[in-house]
Amino acid sequence: EADIYQTPRYLVIGTGKKITLECSQTMGHDKMYWYQQDPGMELHLIHYSYGVNSTEKGDLSSESTVSRIRTEHFPLTLESARPSHTSQYLCASSGMTGTSTDTQYFGPGTRLTVL
Amino acid sequence: KQEVTQIPAALSVPEGENLVLNCSFTDSAIYNLQWFRQDPGKGLTSLLLIQSSQREQTSGRLNASLDKSSGRSTLYIAASQPGDSATYLCAADNFNKFYFGSGTKLNVKP
Repeated sequence: EADIYQTPRYLVIGTGKKITLECSQTMGHDKMYWYQQDPGMELHLIHYSYGVNSTEKGDLSSESTVSRIRTEHFPLTLESARPSHTSQYLCASSGMTGTSTDTQYFGPGTRLTVL
Repeated sequence: KQEVTQIPAALSVPEGENLVLNCSFTDSAIYNLQWFRQDPGKGLTSLLLIQSSQREQTSGRLNASLDKSSGRSTLYIAASQPGDSATYLCAADNFNKFYFGSGTKLNVKP
């Protein structure tokens, strides 16, 4: 059982508010990811990190920002939420298992609605 | 940029049937390919991971194959059960950047 947590699970907020979506993992994984998923659509990578103080933007442009100050924590922040940010946000982490390659483990997701 | 396509988009079968889900990708320079299951309103659960040097992986009633040269992977589900109803996603790992298909929504009828 993978141990990766996201809070809040659901968030309804007004336009212009600043929000932070939390993601934590207890597996000691170096790699962490944020994905955005609209209903019935594929996941799009918006941010990733290979370790502490390492963050990169994914292929889908996003107005959000991330930080990686601790290995286990990878929060995502929106400085000013807009209705176009309404979506599901999924956090994942990956690491090596012995000599085999990475398996991604996902959190339960945060469903964000901006009014 | 890697593009991942899954066919069919939706599938409805009676309980007990064997079925095959298809995944194709455009860039064969992948590190691995993963199959996931997603239940409504939840995150993804990893089912099988096939490394680029492997041809297939098996877990219980699930078997996934990989053909890098043709850019294809299949997920075979034997003796399907209503509890298998979910959306199945494949993801190609191009050296730590993962590209997902839009999934196959499976409904197994009792």
